[in-house]
Amino acid sequence: KAGVTQTPRYLIKTRGQQVTLSCSPISGHRSVSWYQQTPGQGLQFLFEYFSETQRNKGNFPGRFSGRQFSNSRSEMNVSTLELGDSALYLCASSLEGDADTQYFGPGTRLTVL
Amino acid sequence: DAKTTQPPSMDCAEGRAANLPCNHSTISGNEYVYWYRQIHSQGPQYIIHGLKNNETNEMASLIITEDRKSSTLILPHATLRDTAVYYCIVRVGVLTGGGNKLTFGTGTQLKVEL
Repeated sequence: KAGVTQTPRYLIKTRGQQVTLSCSPISGHRSVSWYQQTPGQGLQFLFEYFSETQRNKGNFPGRFSGRQFSNSRSEMNVSTLELGDSALYLCASSLEGDADTQYFGPGTRLTVL
Repeated sequence: DAKTTQPPSMDCAEGRAANLPCNHSTISGNEYVYWYRQIHSQGPQYIIHGLKNNETNEMASLIITEDRKSSTLILPHATLRDTAVYYCIVRVGVLTGGGNKLTFGTGTQLKVEL
């Protein structure tokens, strides 16, 4: 079974621009979560989507948004990029059992100049 | 979700068992203990999880104390490829808590050496 895939793997943007990152979950997984990892803040939860609905949201500004499609693929968008948005953005998918684990993709490395 | 405490770093000789401790003294009865690891610049990798009983899989063993206030992840024969940051995470079940959310702490940097 193919793992979680994320595109693109690397991205360079400038301040003020916007960016869209994509995540394809493992086949059959309906939950997709997004995380941001920076050296200063570590791994932080952004939001989770399940059946095209946002189910959980972390403590990030409204510039960070996401959506999920009917095939469970998900995208996250960051508008008006700031230097501090430079990070590794990770996507994870899971089944819907009570203790089901999350499987992470390789991440998208975003650099904001 | 309950807070966890882990040592910032540990060393282990290759071939020996690596025992990584985690304290979660405020854990609730419906919270699971999960372990993930992250090799440099890769996405976190699931290792094992448990609720009350000890668990073992092909990667590791998880020992949870009877009062559930602490746990130990055991890598029975550590190799250089096990060098990574190991995260202990406690959370309620997906169905109980209304979804997936993992709260990562700072983890333990395990260094396996020859």
